[in-house]
Amino acid sequence: DTGVSQDPRHKITKRGQNVTFRCDPISEHNRLYWYRQTLGQGPEFLTYFQNEAQLEKSRLLSDRFSAERPKGSFSTLEIQRTEQGDSAMYLCASSSRWDEQYFGPGTRLTVT
Amino acid sequence: GENVEQHPSTLSVQEGDSAVIKCTYSDSASNYFPWYKQELGKRPQLIIDIRSNVGEKKDQRIAVTLNKTAKHFSLHITETQPEDSAVYFCAAKNFGNEKLTFGTGTRLTIIP
Repeated sequence: DTGVSQDPRHKITKRGQNVTFRCDPISEHNRLYWYRQTLGQGPEFLTYFQNEAQLEKSRLLSDRFSAERPKGSFSTLEIQRTEQGDSAMYLCASSSRWDEQYFGPGTRLTVT
Repeated sequence: GENVEQHPSTLSVQEGDSAVIKCTYSDSASNYFPWYKQELGKRPQLIIDIRSNVGEKKDQRIAVTLNKTAKHFSLHITETQPEDSAVYFCAAKNFGNEKLTFGTGTRLTIIP
């Protein structure tokens, strides 16, 4: 499968714990995006990388959230001191030079 | 910022009939409008998109129309089939801005 992959697919954690998600974009896609999707809603933009540079961050991305894309390949999204409101599907997408964004299967986070 | 409204929120259509989903956007600088199909528990799948320099685009049973003056765009599915049942999301993007702003989704049910 040459599509966007994400790991893990599901994560259950207790409030206050830290979690980290990984995204592997489509090979040679230099743009990578993180979105969050809650039940019954469309995806909401969190942050965007072009190669290794983080170029845009949403106001939704509080100080507890941090994202990296070392070497411009895979990316990680870390949430520190998780809260119940962080429960959502975290989606990663990638694109090449043009506009089309292709999504991964997502990581479903449940904070208990 | 950009705001995308989508209607209807639910739509039931007899198999073989046509379905139309409509979206409006607020930012006249938006120039890229994709549509995604999301089946239960799966990733959003890009099914068709349109750029602001064209008014209509068709791909087999799916077509998208764009009215820049009125700032609305629509998804048309003809000869609907049971496998068309899913949630459909519209989105908009500005030139020079990488994030997609999504609508709230339309749950389409095809009645056999």
